[in-house]
Amino acid sequence: DAGVIQSPRHEVTEMGQEVTLRCKPISGHDYLFWYRQTMMRGLELLIYFNNNVPIDDSGMPEDRFSAKMPNASFSTLKIQPSEPRDSAVYFCASSFFSGRYNEQFFGPGTRLTVL
Amino acid sequence: GNSVTQMEGPVTLSEEAFLTINCTYTATGYPSLFWYVQYPGEGLQLLLKATKADDKGSNKGFEATYRKETTSFHLEKGSVQVSDSAVYFCALGGSEKLVFGKGTKLTVNP
Repeated sequence: DAGVIQSPRHEVTEMGQEVTLRCKPISGHDYLFWYRQTMMRGLELLIYFNNNVPIDDSGMPEDRFSAKMPNASFSTLKIQPSEPRDSAVYFCASSFFSGRYNEQFFGPGTRLTVL
Repeated sequence: GNSVTQMEGPVTLSEEAFLTINCTYTATGYPSLFWYVQYPGEGLQLLLKATKADDKGSNKGFEATYRKETTSFHLEKGSVQVSDSAVYFCALGGSEKLVFGKGTKLTVNP
């Protein structure tokens, strides 16, 4: 398997523009997680899905952020409109939860810069 | 709720020095424990894991033992290399999501 795939790897945009980040989880995994990492706030869980259904979006910072998972092999995180404070590295991770053991596999991340 | 407390960094060592990064946890039940490593410019990757008390996880010369009596999972390596420079995260499993520590940045100088 190719692992978790994220695109784009780098995104530079201007304030007010819409940004869409994409993720393809590992085949067979039933959980998908979106994280944000910044120097100030560290690693934050934004939202996660189980079998394509959003389970907990309490980490989504505000209504400008939205995430979807239309099928088991694809998810998007959208920011509209983007702001400079959204600049961060966004990671997608997937896992297969077997009751206690839940190793997460991370993608390489998307580095977002909002000017 | 479940939580992880991880030694704050940054940690700077010379090559071949001994490394310990402390991690303690609070949890109900019998969680799994993980150490993840993040090299510069990359995503997090699993370094080692332990699924029950007294288990020892090991990989690339790193070790950590699941100590239920002290609720700890300290990361150790006997002789660090420059290539070990990275950020290390302790994580707690047991539910569908992981609880991560804040991360410890390690720099190893030649």
